[in-house]
Amino acid sequence: DGGITQSPKYLFRKEGQNVTLSCEQNLNHDAMYWYRQDPGQGLRLIYYSQIVNDFQKGDIAEGYSVSREKKESFPLTVTSAQKNPTAFYLCATRIGPGVKGGELFFGEGSRLTVL
Amino acid sequence: DQQVKQNSPSLSVQEGRISILNCDYTNSMFDYFLWYKKYPAEGPTFLISISSIKDKNEDGRFTVFLNKSAKHLSLHIVPSQPGDSAVYFCAASASARGAQKLVFGQGTRLTINP
Repeated sequence: DGGITQSPKYLFRKEGQNVTLSCEQNLNHDAMYWYRQDPGQGLRLIYYSQIVNDFQKGDIAEGYSVSREKKESFPLTVTSAQKNPTAFYLCATRIGPGVKGGELFFGEGSRLTVL
Repeated sequence: DQQVKQNSPSLSVQEGRISILNCDYTNSMFDYFLWYKKYPAEGPTFLISISSIKDKNEDGRFTVFLNKSAKHLSLHIVPSQPGDSAVYFCAASASARGAQKLVFGQGTRLTINP
C-alpha cells in the first residue's frame, strides 16, 4: 500500500523540549518537503530535500532541523529555539527535481501542541 | 511578502450551483499552478493543475482558469456538492527555480449548503 506515513498524529510537548516528527514514504519519490499550517496563513515551507544527504532551508527554517539519510525518510526536529511551535505539520513528496510541474503528495499531518 | 493570495477566507454556495474560488499571484516567474482540497486534520489532496502555456484546464466538475496578464487564477466547481465542503488552497511554482517549491495561498473555506 503506497503512501506517506507521518507519526505521531498528535504530540504534546513541554516548552524547552525538542521533538522529532517522522515522515516515511514508499512512493520512491526523490523529493520530500515539510510544511507548516497555521490558521489563516496557508502552508509555509520549512525544509525540503531533493535527494538523499541533501536538504535546503525553506521560508521558515529557524528553530527546525532535518536529515535525509535514506530516500524513504525525512524526519523533522522541532527544537526549543522555535518560538511558536504549536501548529499542524505536513510532510509531502514529489517524484523528483527532473520532472517539470508535478504535484506534491501529502501525508495526513502531525499536530504538535506545546503546553 | 505573500506571493500567492486568496483574498476570500470563506465562501458559501448552495448545492447544485457553481462555486468560484479565486487566487492572485505577484511573482511573474510562476509558471505552474495547482489547486488542493483539504479536510480538517488531514493532508491536502491534489485537485487540478494548469501550466502557464494554457488558459484553461478541465477535469470533470472542476475547471481552472488562468489569466496571466492579470496574474489571476480561479477554480470553478459545477455543480457544487456537499462533499465539496473543505478548505481550498491554490499553489504556484516556478520551473526555473529548479527545486519546484510550491508557494501556497492562505486558503478559502468553501461551505456547500443543502
